[in-house]
Amino acid sequence: DAMVIQNPRYQVTQFGKPVTLSCSQTLNHNVMYWYQQKSSQAPKLLFHYYDKDFNNEADTPDNFQSRRPNTSFCFLDIRSPGLGDAAMYLCATSGQGRRTDTQYFGPGTRLTVL
Amino acid sequence: DQQVKQNSPSLSVQEGRISILNCDYTNSMFDYFLWYKKYPAEGPTFLISISSIKDKNEDGRFTVFLNKSAKHLSLHIVPSQPGDSAVYFCAASAWGNGQNFVFGPGTRLSVLP
Repeated sequence: DAMVIQNPRYQVTQFGKPVTLSCSQTLNHNVMYWYQQKSSQAPKLLFHYYDKDFNNEADTPDNFQSRRPNTSFCFLDIRSPGLGDAAMYLCATSGQGRRTDTQYFGPGTRLTVL
Repeated sequence: DQQVKQNSPSLSVQEGRISILNCDYTNSMFDYFLWYKKYPAEGPTFLISISSIKDKNEDGRFTVFLNKSAKHLSLHIVPSQPGDSAVYFCAASAWGNGQNFVFGPGTRLSVLP
């Protein structure tokens, strides 16, 4: 009974070719997050949605966009992937986004850029 | 500029012994800390947290210690079990930043039978 689902688990794209990663949740949580984790590095928050309100981290490149069409789904769009965007992308959810709320992570999508 | 550091990329411990994972932070505004555990091919899962008003929090075999003056926290696992073998991430946040956690790079723990 997966709670946070990410598709696909592995994605290969070409340099400059737009790509979309998908996240869905069955928890009915208000908050959804996208993290980028490069090899052997810390997960880094890109942005999050509180309901429909989008919150972008200051240092997230413009190349990264997100959409949340409804409570259950959130998408990460990379408009023109570069080699440096190869990473694991993690989606997470949280009930209300309070610090004491547990964040539930999906298994991640590993993006390869050729 | 890493605000949360886990200086040991890996750690091996014998089953039944204590595992101690360390985390250091540089931002004095951090006042809430968490540990996550990650198995291969899975997302991180929450393990334990501690607020800066405490110096210790315990949950079963897992205890987190916080030393604010040293800007250091540690996770103790006693006794260690083979199922504890995973990557452990330390994370921190500052008051008012909600769940904008800053993560460390992780420590891979191997518990040997």
